[in-house]
Amino acid sequence: SQQGEEDPQALSIQEGENATMNCSYKTSINNLQWYRQNSGRGLVHLILIRSNEREKHSGRLRVTLDTSKKSSSLLITASRAADTASYFCATGMNTGFQKLVFGTGTRLLVSP
Amino acid sequence: DTAVSQTPKYLVTQMGNDKSIKCEQNLGHDTMYWYKQDSKKFLKIMFSYNNKELIINETVPNRFSPKSPDKAHLNLHINSLELGDSAVYFCASSQDRGVGYTFGSGTRLTVV
Repeated sequence: SQQGEEDPQALSIQEGENATMNCSYKTSINNLQWYRQNSGRGLVHLILIRSNEREKHSGRLRVTLDTSKKSSSLLITASRAADTASYFCATGMNTGFQKLVFGTGTRLLVSP
Repeated sequence: DTAVSQTPKYLVTQMGNDKSIKCEQNLGHDTMYWYKQDSKKFLKIMFSYNNKELIINETVPNRFSPKSPDKAHLNLHINSLELGDSAVYFCASSQDRGVGYTFGSGTRLTVV
């Protein structure tokens, strides 16, 4: 089964609003990463947070990680129409070699 | 220059045929991956190679055979294609553990 479950499955907001996506996972991890996928394109790495970190920022992105609850959130502030995409969390497992397991994704629609 | 390039971008073929998808990365990364994204957007790892050596082989039918002639290339050969093989196949690469992946733009395979 998929390692990560994302919530909500779809999110529709207006430009300028903030968008929050949540990810829950099941087993211990080495790191958690967020990716964006525009329609018909490949995935683009956004941000990585390690298991010993609680919060990380990159531009308009803010990621939190709660290993006790096995959950993470991605906040996009002051959203733009260009942020419209699917967002996936991916967990890096504690195995000999890195193996990223992806969540189910959140489809974000930002309307002008 | 495209960092991870896949060819072809689209592939339409009949059931029973054998086809190959090629992937090349010019990032100098040691590890390459094949992921399958189904119609529901679930991304599932298939294979991973580190310096030409197979390190991850998920539960994939043995009709799928990866080949890595060198660490910059990872090809995927599929024998006796079935309708259920229709999906988008993504190649990715990374350097070391605990870092983000760089994805190719995907190959959309349609089996008719």
